[in-house]
Amino acid sequence: AQTVTQSQPEMSVQEAETVTLSCTYDTSESDYYLFWYKQPPSRQMILVIRQEAYKQQNATENRFSVNFQKAAKSFSLKISDSQLGDAAMYFCAFLTNTGNQFYFGTGTSLTVIP
Amino acid sequence: DTEVTQTPKHLVMGMTNKKSLKCEQHMGHRAMYWYKQKAKKPPELMFVYSYEKLSINESVPSRFSPECPNSSLLNLHLHALQPEDSALYLCASSHPGRITNYGYTFGSGTRLTVV
Repeated sequence: AQTVTQSQPEMSVQEAETVTLSCTYDTSESDYYLFWYKQPPSRQMILVIRQEAYKQQNATENRFSVNFQKAAKSFSLKISDSQLGDAAMYFCAFLTNTGNQFYFGTGTSLTVIP
Repeated sequence: DTEVTQTPKHLVMGMTNKKSLKCEQHMGHRAMYWYKQKAKKPPELMFVYSYEKLSINESVPSRFSPECPNSSLLNLHLHALQPEDSALYLCASSHPGRITNYGYTFGSGTRLTVV
């Protein structure tokens, strides 16, 4: 079975600063995909970034980047130059190569302080 | 069209009512999903349809009845719900199987309140 752990229920960051959200997972699979989803008060789950486990290079999308440590089963999200619109609940999620079911972490609520 | 559209956005229903939630996508995705989400919790999978056939039912009570009439449409029929069923119901779609690795596209949900 797969498990995803987000150990920070709440985080805050000053506007324009950098924040890192933590995620660890446990799996016996060798091929899988990892995602960060953002859920603002509007409720829609929005894909922030994805990482294929077979790729050593960390994924980057504009101000969002990940630190993927496969051996440590760690997948943290770094948000640079934080903006007010980044305030949301962030979910880390795991997907097996053949699966059609996400395994979500418990979420981190991010507050951005003006 | 890169959206998943859910209607209605808000629904209040009594415990004896029958209502339906609707989800629609036109991205050519052949897998569709219903999730239930309580406040400040991650989404919980309820049902998965793959090529219009129910492939996963996560032991959901029979008062929730899914239906997939075609490849673009997914319904969730509700009957005799309980107050604890009040939640955000999210629909998602994706390509099924191995190409699901691009992730799911989620709708903005229906906020259901059972009174």
